[in-house]
Amino acid sequence: GQNIDQPTEMTATEGAIVQINCTYQTSGFNGLFWYQQHAGEAPTFLSYNVLDGLEEKGRFSSFLSRSKGYSYLLLKELQMKDSASYLCAVDNYGQNFVFGPGTRLSVLP
Amino acid sequence: DSGVTQTPKHLITATGQRVTLRCSPRSGDLSVYWYQQSLDQGLQFLIQYYNGEERAKGNILERFSAQQFPDLHSELNLSSLELGDSALYFCASSVGRGGGDTQYFGPGTRLTVL
Repeated sequence: GQNIDQPTEMTATEGAIVQINCTYQTSGFNGLFWYQQHAGEAPTFLSYNVLDGLEEKGRFSSFLSRSKGYSYLLLKELQMKDSASYLCAVDNYGQNFVFGPGTRLSVLP
Repeated sequence: DSGVTQTPKHLITATGQRVTLRCSPRSGDLSVYWYQQSLDQGLQFLIQYYNGEERAKGNILERFSAQQFPDLHSELNLSSLELGDSALYFCASSVGRGGGDTQYFGPGTRLTVL
């Protein structure tokens, strides 16, 4: 089977750091993607991990542990515009993307 | 702007009707993917086409069908519509067959079935 878990909601303060976790169990694995989605809008690509370790991209970093079926997205210096849903998605060997349920992040002033 | 276009932006129709959603991929992308996003569910993969051929199939209902044309644009046909088909329908495109390719999403079509 295929299962991806993320916390449903998180709240953080402007300027803070937040870590959004994603655990997965899928029949195949060829990388993990993170997307940001504002309400009613299209998901936009944030990061891609296929090897274990940390990938840093400005204020956003993403970590992967393949042996543990675990990833996290780290957002630093939070801004109000970061209030959105964050989706992790597993690339199931190019057969399809399996998306997690998403984590709704609220950034408070 | 991802470069993926979808029309129409909004669609309101009645139960039992049939509609067609259209998607044009980014220039140079050969794969098109269709997703459904309902209020209480995440993004559900429906189907993928690569260079005109069906590549992968997800949880697509038999009432739904899709195709990709020689110019690489794609259409998703939804028939015998039910209230539960009301959702945001996204199209995404990628350069290759998949396998690590980033998918870029269009703005979506919001379908309301009354």
